[in-house]
Amino acid sequence: DAGITQSPRHKVTETGTPVTLRCHQTENHRYMYWYRQDPGHGLRLIHYSYGVKDTDKGEVSDGYSVSRSKTEDFLLTLESATSSQTSVYFCAIRQAGRNGELFFGEGSRLTVL
Amino acid sequence: GQQVMQIPQYQHVQEGEDFTTYCNSSTTLSNIQWYKQRPGGHPVFLIQLVKSGEVKKQKRLTFQFGEAKKNSSLHITATQTTDVGTYFCAGYNNAGNMLTFGGGTRLMVKP
Repeated sequence: DAGITQSPRHKVTETGTPVTLRCHQTENHRYMYWYRQDPGHGLRLIHYSYGVKDTDKGEVSDGYSVSRSKTEDFLLTLESATSSQTSVYFCAIRQAGRNGELFFGEGSRLTVL
Repeated sequence: GQQVMQIPQYQHVQEGEDFTTYCNSSTTLSNIQWYKQRPGGHPVFLIQLVKSGEVKKQKRLTFQFGEAKKNSSLHITATQTTDVGTYFCAGYNNAGNMLTFGGGTRLMVKP
């Protein structure tokens, strides 16, 4: 356990509503990541952060935004949720050093009706 | 962009049989990582390979990194029910900031 907590763990929402998922870490890691996991697609990177207010896009960033105002928190926002964003979302932190391994949170299951 | 592919997508084996999953990257990798995700769980880091042709073992698991650093494999000898889960390979981009995962191989073991 690398001190990562995700909230909420489960959420059901309706199409068009905004949703924010929170990732909180307690170990001051610089790099944080948001992935989504869907059957047949493995884990796909949405956005990542390499420091406070420093973020960049991953391979499936459309429809998502992120913010990192504090080292410990990395927020993922769906401005207007769509059914295609129904997924399990995992936050991860990277151990110090280039090419370090990732430690994942427990995941947040989001259902958009 | 970088693509990482894994085969097979699913594998059913009888307990005691061997299992292998293969990983191929569209680009040369600086290293390759392997993760395991138990049903209902989150991915957990298993190992990292860095050198061309490297082979590492963890008990019944053998990991190999290809000579060209574009492919890798995970072999499990004499599978057990505790091996059930999805195995992912992953590689960093050249900048070393984005980790791209393969689609995973889901292993099911019949007792």
